[in-house]
Amino acid sequence: AQSVSQHNHHVILSEAASLELGCNYSYGGTVNLFWYVQYPGQHLQLLLKYFSGDPLVKGIKGFEAEFIKSKFSFNLRKPSVQWSDTAEYFCAVNAQAAGNKLTFGGGTRVLVKP
Amino acid sequence: KAGVTQTPRYLIKTRGQQVTLSCSPISGHRSVSWYQQTPGQGLQFLFEYFSETQRNKGNFPGRFSGRQFSNSRSEMNVSTLELGDSALYLCASSLAVIGRQLEQYFGPGTRLTVT
Repeated sequence: AQSVSQHNHHVILSEAASLELGCNYSYGGTVNLFWYVQYPGQHLQLLLKYFSGDPLVKGIKGFEAEFIKSKFSFNLRKPSVQWSDTAEYFCAVNAQAAGNKLTFGGGTRVLVKP
Repeated sequence: KAGVTQTPRYLIKTRGQQVTLSCSPISGHRSVSWYQQTPGQGLQFLFEYFSETQRNKGNFPGRFSGRQFSNSRSEMNVSTLELGDSALYLCASSLAVIGRQLEQYFGPGTRLTVT
């Protein structure tokens, strides 16, 4: 069975600091990878996705993520955060053999101090 | 294009009762998946429906069931409610081309409280 782990449960940053959130998954087959964000009081929104091709993917709001197959990782980065990036971030994996079943990590709560 | 809509947004039920939640996917999306979100267990997959057929199922008891209609709208039902069923139930839709997974778009959820 596939599993996803996010290393940090809580991250506190100041505005303009760089952000990197770790995500590792365990599954030996081909996967699709996603980062979702949940802003306070809002629903889950897709930040970015990886299906194939260039392992460095760019998403909305200046976020990017790098798929490193050998490390089973898909870390999320943003060079300079803003207060509006305060949210909970979820990494999710979809094994291509498992249809549309998404397995989520436990989430990382990010607080950006103004 | 309208997003995924879920009704009702909030629900309070008593132990032992049953509940039905509704989801309308994005127009043109034929796959609908359901997830349960709780503080303790996080986001967990319940099941997926595609073309009115359950295509995938998570590890939940048989009290959790669902269905999909010909217009792709979906309902999920929980019978004999338990306190532990209190959660945010999320619906997600996807274009879901045969043989290829695409990204899922989530609705705002239905907050179910069981007392």
